[in-house]
Amino acid sequence: DQQVKQNSPSLSVQEGRISILNCDYTNSMFDYFLWYKKYPAEGPTFLISISSIKDKNEDGRFTVFLNKSAKHLSLHIVPSQPGDSAVYFCAASARGTYKYIFGTGTRLKVLA
Amino acid sequence: DGGITQSPKYLFRKEGQNVTLSCEQNLNHDAMYWYRQDPGQGLRLIYYSQIVNDFQKGDIAEGYSVSREKKESFPLTVTSAQKNPTAFYLCASNRGVRTEAFFGQGTRLTVV
Repeated sequence: DQQVKQNSPSLSVQEGRISILNCDYTNSMFDYFLWYKKYPAEGPTFLISISSIKDKNEDGRFTVFLNKSAKHLSLHIVPSQPGDSAVYFCAASARGTYKYIFGTGTRLKVLA
Repeated sequence: DGGITQSPKYLFRKEGQNVTLSCEQNLNHDAMYWYRQDPGQGLRLIYYSQIVNDFQKGDIAEGYSVSREKKESFPLTVTSAQKNPTAFYLCASNRGVRTEAFFGQGTRLTVV
């Protein structure tokens, strides 16, 4: 049972435009969410996180939105740059646990 | 420079042989993790350790073993009991719950 789902395997966006990556979860006990960026044959790099007490968190060009009632979070990248082309993973953990559950990833391609 | 080091980057083994993947961190993190990545399946948790001399099974622990004798080190042994060992293996660490995990560069294991 996939507790964290990224239903779009890939996304293409023009340079300078907004990229929106989506993630859905099923476990209502999840209270901490993260986004990672990954290049081929490398380890994921942490981008941004959000706690369930918030509905938005910003860091530079990256903003994460959390909709708890819909069990949905999204990552907005504005403006998108060619260097943002990578696979993006969302991850979630439940209160008091060390386990991070990852989605299957979305491959973002930013076109110059 | 603080970080997580995985070695080797590429590893080839014959079927039926056990193999140990190294993971060392100098971030003074208490928690360490092993994930496996297969195409289209995201990152799946194999084992994790919250503290020295203690570890727990993740979602796909069968055919794997770990040890945590030192805070800095969390080696993973892929045994001959693992049915499909060929994969990309990622080690990570963090300070504790609700903190971002930092990943190593990964080890690509190929069993022939």
